[in-house]
Amino acid sequence: KQEVTQIPAALSVPEGENLVLNCSFTDSAIYNLQWFRQDPGKGLTSLLLIQSSQREQTSGRLNASLDKSSGRSTLYIAASQPGDSATYLCAVRTSGSRLTFGEGTQLTVNP
Amino acid sequence: GAVVSQHPSWVICKSGTSVKIECRSLDFQATTMFWYRQFPKQSLMLMATSNEGSKATYEQGVEKDKFLINHASLTLSTLTVTSAHPEDSSFYICSASSGANEQFFGPGTRLTVL
Repeated sequence: KQEVTQIPAALSVPEGENLVLNCSFTDSAIYNLQWFRQDPGKGLTSLLLIQSSQREQTSGRLNASLDKSSGRSTLYIAASQPGDSATYLCAVRTSGSRLTFGEGTQLTVNP
Repeated sequence: GAVVSQHPSWVICKSGTSVKIECRSLDFQATTMFWYRQFPKQSLMLMATSNEGSKATYEQGVEKDKFLINHASLTLSTLTVTSAHPEDSSFYICSASSGANEQFFGPGTRLTVL
């Protein structure tokens, strides 16, 4: 059974700092890995999707890496802003279209 | 990108009543739709997977007679919580896939059962 773990559970940083969120998964037989953002009481916003054959994806200040063999992914956020405050979820796609989510990292960026 | 809507965005009901939540793919045909439940400060847990025109596949521990799922068309799936109780209060999120790589998520429905 696939298990996804995210570390840290919560993170508070001053504005402007670069930061890294971590995601690990137990079964390396994945199709892809996706990072989402969730604001309180809202649905999910997809940030980056990395195919199993890829090593990283970039979008603006966000960079996600994937090391499938070791079961790890990181989400790097450059020059953090208060508007980045949210919960960040990592999810891996295994058999079929099934997504398994991590517990999330709650990020607070202080002005 | 693809847009998925949910209705209602929030609902409050009395214990014992049934509540229907709709999930629509607005600009693409969704061959598969997924229903998730999220309790406060927890992650999303998959409840069931539904393919258009066929019965839903429920995850272990999810009561299919309590959570009725209908996926009657390529753009609409419904989740009916029957005889709702306070412990069913949660945030319900759907997602839709056209069979390609990605699931697109709806904005969620907050259910509160009194």
